[in-house]
Amino acid sequence: AQSVTQLDSQVPVFEEAPVELRCNYSSSVSVYLFWYVQYPNQGLQLLLKYLSGSTLVESINGFEAEFNKSQTSFHLRKPSVHISDTAEYFCAVCPMDSSYKLIFGSGTRLLVRP
Amino acid sequence: AAGVIQSPRHLIKEKRETATLKCYPIPRHDTVYWYQQGPGQDPQFLISFYEKMQSDKGSIPDRFSAQQFSDYHSELNMSSLELGDSALYFCASSLRGQGPTDTQYFGPGTRLTVL
Repeated sequence: AQSVTQLDSQVPVFEEAPVELRCNYSSSVSVYLFWYVQYPNQGLQLLLKYLSGSTLVESINGFEAEFNKSQTSFHLRKPSVHISDTAEYFCAVCPMDSSYKLIFGSGTRLLVRP
Repeated sequence: AAGVIQSPRHLIKEKRETATLKCYPIPRHDTVYWYQQGPGQDPQFLISFYEKMQSDKGSIPDRFSAQQFSDYHSELNMSSLELGDSALYFCASSLRGQGPTDTQYFGPGTRLTVL
């Protein structure tokens, strides 16, 4: 079985400040890792993913996440946030078995203030 | 680029009524997933289909059923609706067989309100 823990339900930050959204997981099998973003009243958008290779993955809008196998973590970071980054961020895992289903964390609301 | 289409976007039903949600995957995608997101909750996997066959089953109530058709679109049928069924229902699609690149792309969701 798999589970995903996002300890911070809400993270308030000021514009242009750095931010880290934490994600830890547990799984009996290897997993693929994802971050999805959900803007108000919208669907889930894929932000970035780790499948294999380099443990540091980046998105086109300045976010990055690093896979740490020993700590079973996949924290999301951005060095300087914008007001438009205000959204709900979901960490998810997909077990490397035959299920292909995504298991989501409870989400972290990033609130960027001017 | 074409995205996942879901219809309707909003649906209001009474208790004990039935509802049908539709999902049209990205062209050439062969796999469809359904997720339920309750108010303030994370999305929960319901069921998935690959090449028109049920692929995996999650926490889907017996009152719900789903299928994938020959054109790969999928429908989620919900009967005897309960207040607790009020949620955002997401459909996602992917192209299976791509190995590690099998990524799920989500539609905008259908917001179901049961009164």
